[in-house]
Amino acid sequence: GAVVSQHPSWVICKSGTSVKIECRSLDFQATTMFWYRQFPKQSLMLMATSNEGSKATYEQGVEKDKFLINHASLTLSTLTVTSAHPEDSSFYICRVQAGGYTGELFFGEGSRLTVL
Amino acid sequence: AQTVTQSQPEMSVQEAETVTLSCTYDTSENNYYLFWYKQPPSRQMILVIRQEAYKQQNATENRFSVNFQKAAKSFSLKISDSQLGDTAMYFCAFTSGGGADGLTFGKGTHLIIQP
Repeated sequence: GAVVSQHPSWVICKSGTSVKIECRSLDFQATTMFWYRQFPKQSLMLMATSNEGSKATYEQGVEKDKFLINHASLTLSTLTVTSAHPEDSSFYICRVQAGGYTGELFFGEGSRLTVL
Repeated sequence: AQTVTQSQPEMSVQEAETVTLSCTYDTSENNYYLFWYKQPPSRQMILVIRQEAYKQQNATENRFSVNFQKAAKSFSLKISDSQLGDTAMYFCAFTSGGGADGLTFGKGTHLIIQP
């Protein structure tokens, strides 16, 4: 079964609202979680890296005030898209690392965000 | 910065044939990891195979194998006895850490297995 759960799998919201996406590791403690964005017919682009209890590290060009990441526990990271706009419509995927330096890398099932 | 290049946007082969997907990368690191991921229409990312750069032996997982040429910075994926269920997007990915760093993905190859 899945070791990483992402919720919701699909969300539709109005422009200007905020949306929270959760990423949970089910059977292990995730030392590091990564958030990716995938536009239609494109590849995955890393948005940010988060470690439990510390601030997330954002990739260049990603607005940290717009994409709020909270990694409050070793099993949960959340991505909040604040004041979402149609251009934020995308597929958001989390990936977690378990264990040490060569830990396995697991992807969530992804969350499709559609902003009207 | 690392880059990953997949030069084949789409490939189509007949069922049971062998197909090779190409991937090249650019890095100044000496220790790194390379991956091939499969993304079916469900969009779930599925790890196909992983290669540690310090290992000379090419990784193999059942019908999937890689040809890792470190000097040439090439990492191709060979799928033997292709099956209809292999139809998907395939992404080559690189990380300079053991997973502590983010993955850099290629643009992907859409593989279609024809019956």
